[in-house]
Amino acid sequence: AIRMTQSPSSFSASTGDRVTITCRASQGISSYLAWYQQKPGKAPKLLIYAASTLQSGVPSRFSGSGSGTDFTLTISCLQSEDFATYYCQQYYSYPPLTFGGGTKVEIK
Amino acid sequence: QLQLQESGPGLVKPSETLSLTCTVSGGSISSSSYYWGWIRQPPGKGLEWIGSIYYSGSTYYNPSLKSRVTISVDTSKNQFSLKLSSVTAADTAVYYCARIRAVAGGSLNWFDPWGQGTLVTVSS
Repeated sequence: AIRMTQSPSSFSASTGDRVTITCRASQGISSYLAWYQQKPGKAPKLLIYAASTLQSGVPSRFSGSGSGTDFTLTISCLQSEDFATYYCQQYYSYPPLTFGGGTKVEIK
Repeated sequence: QLQLQESGPGLVKPSETLSLTCTVSGGSISSSSYYWGWIRQPPGKGLEWIGSIYYSGSTYYNPSLKSRVTISVDTSKNQFSLKLSSVTAADTAVYYCARIRAVAGGSLNWFDPWGQGTLVTVSS
């Protein structure tokens, strides 16, 4: 199974900050990567697929990059509604489909 | 707008079988462009894919759960279901159903949208 490792697992940031979350795959996955946002008590929401394609309706302050084994999710100007946990997911090789362990973005 | 809704018992006894159904509304489960799947999340932990099914009945399962999982589809009711046998406390989780984008050849991709989730507790 492909293991997805996110870093950091959590961090604090302020509104207006530029933040970057990293996801590393245990083997190359080309661009077969998605990012999700999950708020407490809610289901995950798709933000980005194919590593860098923004899902319809997602604000443009979110962006994704990377290919192979290293990927990043960037929020260019953190808003109050962006405080949440973010997960990456690979769909290059399955079963199983696998998720990263999550990165929690907290208010500083 | 496509919506998914999980339903089933919130409490299951150890060694018994967990059974959940996902009802799809606002679209057809028989679309050739999508698979349908189950994902779970233990309290305070991350996401684990359980398995996925196509409207034709073709399935993929997580090898770590394969011996205990059965996913089925009922196109007449626009529903798909999960059965997880021999449950233990480790199976306590929020269970989500979701649509999975698929491409020609049945390749699974990303999950969107998701149901709201349902908490299943395994306890005597």
